[in-house]
Amino acid sequence: DTGVSQDPRHKITKRGQNVTFRCDPISEHNRLYWYRQTLGQGPEFLTYFQNEAQLEKSRLLSDRFSAERPKGSFSTLEIQRTEQGDSAMYLCASSSTGVITDTQYFGPGTRLTVL
Amino acid sequence: KQEVTQIPAALSVPEGENLVLNCSFTDSAIYNLQWFRQDPGKGLTSLLLIQSSQREQTSGRLNASLDKSSGRSTLYIAASQPGDSATYLCAVTDTGRRALTFGSGTRLQVQP
Repeated sequence: DTGVSQDPRHKITKRGQNVTFRCDPISEHNRLYWYRQTLGQGPEFLTYFQNEAQLEKSRLLSDRFSAERPKGSFSTLEIQRTEQGDSAMYLCASSSTGVITDTQYFGPGTRLTVL
Repeated sequence: KQEVTQIPAALSVPEGENLVLNCSFTDSAIYNLQWFRQDPGKGLTSLLLIQSSQREQTSGRLNASLDKSSGRSTLYIAASQPGDSATYLCAVTDTGRRALTFGSGTRLQVQP
């Protein structure tokens, strides 16, 4: 069990560019979540997958954001036409339906800076 | 809409003190409540999870309680150490959902 991994750890981009982040969940976990965290605040939910199905999306997930989880394994989060307000830490978490407590385990995050 | 509030926002204590962090939530229809620790610039580490049917959970020097009807939870840290310095986040999962709703956290500093 190597934990949840995210890549890249840091991303600096210019306004208007597209960026893509990757999350690899704990291998036996079938649920995967994306959250966004700005400085001094708690994380805010963006979206959630069970296997390859995207089951819930927050209103925060504007049409510039898209998330995928092909084959129910890793997931990608793409932001198109980035804006300075997109600067934040993007956190991925995973959990298992086989465990009654459904504890979410978080990755180290990808810090995005939009110049 | 669920809202989670944590008080205090920041706390500084001398090493060895026992302390209590508070969390309140507006909608009592929760599935579970989790306490997390976050070190600066890092991801979150799960500390304790309390199911809605439970009253408390303990792990080492940490004890978390849940009063669902009043919408409150507390995290008790015994004999605090400088290594406990971090931000502590409370989060709830509403019944029928999987998303966590977080508070803004309590930033704890334990002075040696």
